[in-house]
Amino acid sequence: SQTIHQWPATLVQPVGSPLSLECTVEGTSNPNLYWYRQAAGRGLQLLFYSVGIGQISSEVPQNLSASRPQDRQFILSSKKLLLSDSGFYLCAWSGLAVEQFFGPGTRLTVL
Amino acid sequence: EDKVVQSPLSLVVHEGDTVTLNCSYEVTNFRSLLWYKQEKKAPTFLFMLTSSGIEKKSGRLSSILDKKELSSILNITATQTGDSAIYLCAAYFQGAQKLVFGQGTRLTINP
Repeated sequence: SQTIHQWPATLVQPVGSPLSLECTVEGTSNPNLYWYRQAAGRGLQLLFYSVGIGQISSEVPQNLSASRPQDRQFILSSKKLLLSDSGFYLCAWSGLAVEQFFGPGTRLTVL
Repeated sequence: EDKVVQSPLSLVVHEGDTVTLNCSYEVTNFRSLLWYKQEKKAPTFLFMLTSSGIEKKSGRLSSILDKKELSSILNITATQTGDSAIYLCAAYFQGAQKLVFGQGTRLTINP
């Protein structure tokens, strides 16, 4: 069966510091991969999605970037964090079907 | 611009009550509507609706899509405290490989 991992689970970073969040999927090949941010327990804002290695689509211009160095690995990065980057970051995958399946999330606090 | 709107944003009821959550969409080339439940971390998939007027049911939860009205409802009967969560709906449109999420409805069931 498929499993999606995210780490770290929580992160507290100072403003201006770099960021790297990692997501990996097991049990499937060539998944579509997604990064979302959720502010204050509300809806999900799609940040990036990828349909294959090295293919990244950006949905919202911002301080963040994404990379997909391997088929089942998706990384969210920032060179310099802003206060507004605080939030709950969720990684998700989908296969041939429409449904997306979510990882446990990373709660990021920027101080 | 593709948009999904949920209402109400927040709802507090007593255990045993029946609730109806609403989701409307403005999505080009709409194909499917999905409902998710988010308790603490990862949203979990509930239903996907593609055909208008056909109810999907799982225990006390049911959902139906009205393509004419561009909307969907999620009903929960005989609510329990374990139903407390954020309920998210999302629209999938033809040609895309991504979901557009609504803001979510925070449902609180008081004993």
